[in-house]
Amino acid sequence: SQKIEQNSEALNIQEGKTATLTCNYTNYSPAYLQWYRQDPGRGPVFLLLIRENEKEKRKERLKVTFDTTLKQSLFHITASQPADSATYLCALDRNSGYALNFGKGTSLLVTP
Amino acid sequence: DTAVSQTPKYLVTQMGNDKSIKCEQNLGHDTMYWYKQDSKKFLKIMFSYNNKELIINETVPNRFSPKSPDKAHLNLHINSLELGDSAVYFCASSQDYGSDEQYFGPGTRLTVT
Repeated sequence: SQKIEQNSEALNIQEGKTATLTCNYTNYSPAYLQWYRQDPGRGPVFLLLIRENEKEKRKERLKVTFDTTLKQSLFHITASQPADSATYLCALDRNSGYALNFGKGTSLLVTP
Repeated sequence: DTAVSQTPKYLVTQMGNDKSIKCEQNLGHDTMYWYKQDSKKFLKIMFSYNNKELIINETVPNRFSPKSPDKAHLNLHINSLELGDSAVYFCASSQDYGSDEQYFGPGTRLTVT
């Protein structure tokens, strides 16, 4: 069956460091992968999309890599800030392309 | 301006009741979705509509019935509510199905007692 796995444990890092979150998947051949941020009590917010033919994508302090051989995406936040504290969700397109399947998310806590 | 709005934000009701959640998007998107986020924070697709047409109907009890009166609205009606229906329900929209990013509403926290 299709699976999307993200670090189940919370990630605690110090302000200014780089946070790296992992998304692994099995039994998927995704055309693209997306990352979302979710704050408590709010809906997910889109951050980045990377396609299968792209190795890396950047947006300000965010960087995403996509390795279809390893079936893995890495999400980096450089120069992290306490305001980056949230849950980050990885999402893959379903084979039909009509919706997304989400991972369970990784909780990130950035401490001053 | 709110892009994707849902009402109500909180819904507390008893088992056996029927309730509806409304969703509206003002982004001009063609595709709308309903997701359920359970107590373990797992976000799962329930329904997907494209141009008012049902595209995805996941393994959801038929007590759940979505209705799309027009492209900007996707409502969710739930009959005979059960304790296990307690969750946060999110509406979302995207320009089209496929690789577009999705815009989520604020969620409706449903509590069934």
